[in-house]
This record gives sequence, structure tokens and C-alpha cells, in this order.
Amino acid sequence: GAVVSQHPSWVICKSGTSVKIECRSLDFQATTMFWYRQFPKQSLMLMATSNEGSKATYEQGVEKDKFLINHASLTLSTLTVTSAHPEDSSFYICSARVPLAGVGEQYFGPGTRLTVT
Amino acid sequence: AQSVTQPDIHITVSEGASLELRCNYSYGATPYLFWYVQSPGQGLQLLLKYFSGDTLVQGIKGFEAEFKRSQSSFNLRKPSVHWSDAAEYFCAVGASGGGADGLTFGKGTHLIIQP
Repeated sequence: GAVVSQHPSWVICKSGTSVKIECRSLDFQATTMFWYRQFPKQSLMLMATSNEGSKATYEQGVEKDKFLINHASLTLSTLTVTSAHPEDSSFYICSARVPLAGVGEQYFGPGTRLTVT
Repeated sequence: AQSVTQPDIHITVSEGASLELRCNYSYGATPYLFWYVQSPGQGLQLLLKYFSGDTLVQGIKGFEAEFKRSQSSFNLRKPSVHWSDAAEYFCAVGASGGGADGLTFGKGTHLIIQP
């Protein structure tokens, strides 16, 4: 089946630094990937839609200059949290759409827990 | 804008008992509805989905869900739960069937299984 991986699974960084999170589709090519953010005991909130070879589309209220998304290949999308602050601490989850798959079929990565100290 | 409500934050069920997790949605057009399960350290796994046709849909792991348009509901059921079903369950709605749009999730229901 379609597998999506994320790296790292857990990262701690100091306030003011930048952190890059990778999302890879391991056995399929994904023209579209999505980035979600999940706060503890909360729902997943869609942050942005990442399309290979084009600029990401950000949801209202998401700072595109803070959350840089790059989808340079059909199997890799990256999310860079720039100048991270403690309020950016969260669980970040990506998903990838399987081309020609069933309706709305998205496969999710295991998530990356970011802690900013 | 679409929204999803899962009224139960926690549900405790005895092993072997039946289960129903509630989900209500708000969406102006035909909804594309999904149930996902999230276990610690695992990605979200799709249990089942509905987009048209038979309003009772069967999923993996013995789960089923019924779409009721009049009640704007898409409740998840399982006749007999197993200890391995303990997890977080999310109901979600999509704006399009092609998967070109991200999903809107409910806040989730934490399922606890009592021995």
C-alpha cells in the first residue's frame, strides 16, 4: 500500500532557529501533498497544500513566510519552520494524495513532534 | 465553510461490547466523509469513506458508518470492540472527491477499551 514517511519524528530546537521537516512518499509519486498541524488533544488543522513544481497554497491565517513549503520532486515535500518560537511547538503531519486513487484518498505520515525551547 | 463536530471527547467501552462514535458535519454541498484512526506513533489510517451511493459503508477492521443526510451525521459503529481498537478516531469532510483539497477534521474521540 501507499506509504508516507516523515523525518524527523521528533525534534527539539532553540527559539529563533529554523527546522526542516521532510515528507516522502515511498512507493508512489505524489503531485499533491498536504501539511497539517495538530495541537495536543485537538484536531488536525490544514496548513497548506503543496503541489509539485509550484508554490504552495496556504490556508487563511497561516504565515507563509514562517512556514516555508517546498515540493521539489514527486516524492518529497519539505516544511521549514523559520525563526521558531515556543508557540510553534506542535505535531506536524503530512499527507499525500495517491494519483488516480479512490475518492479523496490521502495517505498520512506518522507525524513530527516539534518542541521549541 | 465546512466543519465537523465530534461531540464525545472520550468514550469508554468494555471489550466485546458494541461501539458508536458520533460525527456531525456542516457542508453546503454533497459531502465527502471519512473516518480515520490514529494510534500513537502511527500515521492516520483510513477506516472508511462515503461519497455517494449506499448510505451504509463498510470499512476495515469491522467498522461501518451510516450517512444520514437529514441529520447531517456520519456515525461510526462496530458490533464488538477489541482491545486493539483503543485509539483516537477522527471524522473528516472533504470538499471534493478528487482529493485535491485538504480535509477538515473533527476534534477526535479518544476510545478507551476496558477489559
